Amino acid sequence: HSALTQPASVSGSPGQSITISCTGTSSDVGGYNYVSWYQVHPGKAPKVIIYDVTERPSGVSNRFSGSKSGNTASLTISGLQAEDEADFYCCSYTGSGVVFGTGTKVTVL
Amino acid sequence: QVQLVQSGAEVKKPGASVKVSCKASGYTFTNYEIYWVRQATGQGLEWVGWMNPNSGNTGYAQKFQGRVTITSDTSITTAYMELNSLRSEDTAVYYCARNYAGLGYWGQGTLVSVYS
Repeated sequence: HSALTQPASVSGSPGQSITISCTGTSSDVGGYNYVSWYQVHPGKAPKVIIYDVTERPSGVSNRFSGSKSGNTASLTISGLQAEDEADFYCCSYTGSGVVFGTGTKVTVL
Repeated sequence: QVQLVQSGAEVKKPGASVKVSCKASGYTFTNYEIYWVRQATGQGLEWVGWMNPNSGNTGYAQKFQGRVTITSDTSITTAYMELNSLRSEDTAVYYCARNYAGLGYWGQGTLVSVYS
């Protein structure tokens, strides 16, 4: 499985909403409802913010939401805040393991 | 509380092997799969493999097949990832993570540096 495709960077002003796409194939994103999203701050371990396409772990802000259509999953961050500036990775189950996305750097202007 | 505590940083020469440990606590070790993920400096997350501590079943990314072995010792609730025939491109931070509600809990990471 090749890495899932994400935009290299997305930016927005505080308070705005941004959406990050994650495109795979019918063998990963499109084939299972097991897409998760991770936020990675420099030097820190990844943190799950969305799992099973739309579910949010307890303690994660409801400004983060996930969706999927066909072979593309999306993460939306609403009410963008300075602390949201980080790298974001999608991840999909493949039937035999997982595959991560290429990663998206989110910049808060 | 759930914790995954990994072993310390390693420096290895090309061709050597490294074995990273991941000590789990705060939950029933055999109830959840453990995944291993790595991140090289400036690069993205890369899945290495997984194991089920209850059954002993494992799965590896094709890129690492034949070079990686993931095991566990349930008596001490510890998972291990051994990578052989190291090359400079294997220099990265290696993480273990518990698979439930996504990869919901992560270790602190272990830096493996490979250079001559």
